[in-house]
Order: sequence, then C-alpha cells, then structure tokens
Amino acid sequence: GNSVTQMEGPVTLSEEAFLTINCTYTATGYPSLFWYVQYPGEGLQLLLKATKADDKGSNKGFEATYRKETTSFHLEKGSVQVSDSAVYFCAGGETSGSRLTFGEGTQLTVNP
Amino acid sequence: NAGVTQTPKFRILKIGQSMTLQCTQDMNHNYMYWYRQDPGMGLKLIYYSVGAGITDKGEVPNGYNVSRSTTEDFPLRLELAAPSQTSVYFCASSYSTGQILAKNIQYFGAGTRLSVL
Repeated sequence: GNSVTQMEGPVTLSEEAFLTINCTYTATGYPSLFWYVQYPGEGLQLLLKATKADDKGSNKGFEATYRKETTSFHLEKGSVQVSDSAVYFCAGGETSGSRLTFGEGTQLTVNP
Repeated sequence: NAGVTQTPKFRILKIGQSMTLQCTQDMNHNYMYWYRQDPGMGLKLIYYSVGAGITDKGEVPNGYNVSRSTTEDFPLRLELAAPSQTSVYFCASSYSTGQILAKNIQYFGAGTRLSVL
C-alpha cells in the first residue's frame, strides 16, 4: 500500500530562519501530494498541494515541489515566523481519490 | 461558515462505557471520514463514507461503528470503551466530483479529545 514518511521532529527554529521539512512517499502510480497544517487546538487544514511531477505548490510563503525521481515533496519556507508554529503533515492521495495517507507529522516551534 | 462540526470537544469515559461522537457538515460533501490521532503519531483512518448509506473500513476499525443516514451526519460509535481508544478523534469531509483531486482536499473538524480511564 501507499506510505508517507516525514522527517522526525520536533523542529525548533528562530524567527526568520529557513525551514525544510522532508517528506518522501511510496505509492502505486503517481498520487497527488499535500501538506496539511494543524495549529494548536484546531483541526488540520490544507496548506498546499501538487498533482503531478514537477508541480510546485505554494501558499503563505511555503513551497513544495513534487519530485518524481526522488519520490519527495519537501516543505520549505525562506523566513519563518512565530505564527508558523504548528504541526505539519505530509499526505498522499490514492489515485482512486477516496483516501489520504498521512505522514507522522512534524512539530515546528518558532521562537522570537 | 460552520464547515465540519464535532461534538463534544472533550470527554472522559470509564472502561466499558459507550458513547457516540457526533460529526456534521454543511458543505454538501459526499465523502466523510473519521480519523484518530495518537500522541506523536499521524492520523489513522477508522472509517469513511462515500455517500449516504455507504460506509467502509479504514486502517483501524476495530472497536468502532459508523452509520451514514444523511449526507450531513456521520456519527462514530464506541460500544465498549477501552484505554487503547484514548486519542483525539477528527472528522473530515471532502467534495466528490469527477475530479480525483477534489476528493483529496479534506476539511477537518476541530476534534474530540477522548480519555478512557
């Protein structure tokens, strides 16, 4: 079956630092890939997505590129803010479209 | 602006008790899902539904039951609560069209934190 692996956390950064959270996937075919974010006390919400190889998803200064050759979808942001502190989940969608497979989640804490 | 609404937000159960976690959505989404999130772990799919009257098991269905009598509601039932069911439970929904991508963009409720003691 499909699987998604994220880098182990937690990650602690200072404000304005560069962020990378690694994500790799194993799937039959080429699934759509997603990053979801969970702010404290809330449910998950979609951050960005990519549907095919070399697609770049972006939102709120975050970016991720769908790399078929390395089966990766790493999340990056050039300058993090305290308000970016949250748990970030990488996810892959089944080609049938009915289910998502989530990674373990990475806790990000940004200190002022 | 309600989206996906879950009740209750918190609950403590004794071993062997039963309860129903409520989930309702007002976006006319066909697909609905129940996940559990254990500390330091990702989300595990318990059950999902592709429309009223249709449900299917996810990765971790044991100890749970669901029903989907309407498009809006997707309750999750715990019949005999066990300590292993202590977790945060999330309900989600997504819109089903002819496009696969739309099905993967899921909208989540705020969660129900359940402790079984």
